[in-house]
Amino acid sequence: DQQVKQNSPSLSVQEGRISILNCDYTNSMFDYFLWYKKYPAEGPTFLISISSIKDKNEDGRFTVFLNKSAKHLSLHIVPSQPGDSAVYFCAASAKSNFGNEKLTFGTGTRLTIIP
Amino acid sequence: EAQVTQNPRYLITVTGKKLTVTCSQNMNHEYMSWYRQDPGLGLRQIYYSMNVEVTDKGDVPEGYKVSRKEKRNFPLILESPSPNQTSLYFCASRGVAGAYTGELFFGEGSRLTVL
Repeated sequence: DQQVKQNSPSLSVQEGRISILNCDYTNSMFDYFLWYKKYPAEGPTFLISISSIKDKNEDGRFTVFLNKSAKHLSLHIVPSQPGDSAVYFCAASAKSNFGNEKLTFGTGTRLTIIP
Repeated sequence: EAQVTQNPRYLITVTGKKLTVTCSQNMNHEYMSWYRQDPGLGLRQIYYSMNVEVTDKGDVPEGYKVSRKEKRNFPLILESPSPNQTSLYFCASRGVAGAYTGELFFGEGSRLTVL
């Protein structure tokens, strides 16, 4: 049962335009949501997160939006740059997991920025 | 430099030959975890540890063992590897002090092939 879903395996965007990556979740106990970026032959690196008490968090070119009623979050990258080409993983955690608070990951979206 | 170090990075082995993937972090983190990444399945948690001598199963623990004798080290042991354990493995850690953010710090990954 995939609790965190990224339905787009890949996305291509022109350099300078907006990239929008989407993520849906099913577990209403999730209270923290994160985006990770992964380059080939490297481990995932943290990009941005949002608590369930917020609906938007912004960090430079990256903004994450959370719609709790729809159980949906999205990552906006503006403007997109060639260095943004990577696989992006959406992840969620639930503090109610009595200390584990494991991250449950989506399957990833490969973003390609076209120069 | 703060980092999570995994070894080996690449390994080809045969069915039944015991192997250990080491993981070490230099950030004095209490929490450590192992994930495996498989195509179409994202990253799934194998085992986690809340602190020294405290370990527990994640979502896919079958065929794996772990130990946490020192705070910095969290080795993953495959007693009798099988081909279905061919995967990309990631070790991750985080501190537990302060406000929870969910952020995990990942190693660079260990690609294991079991023939």
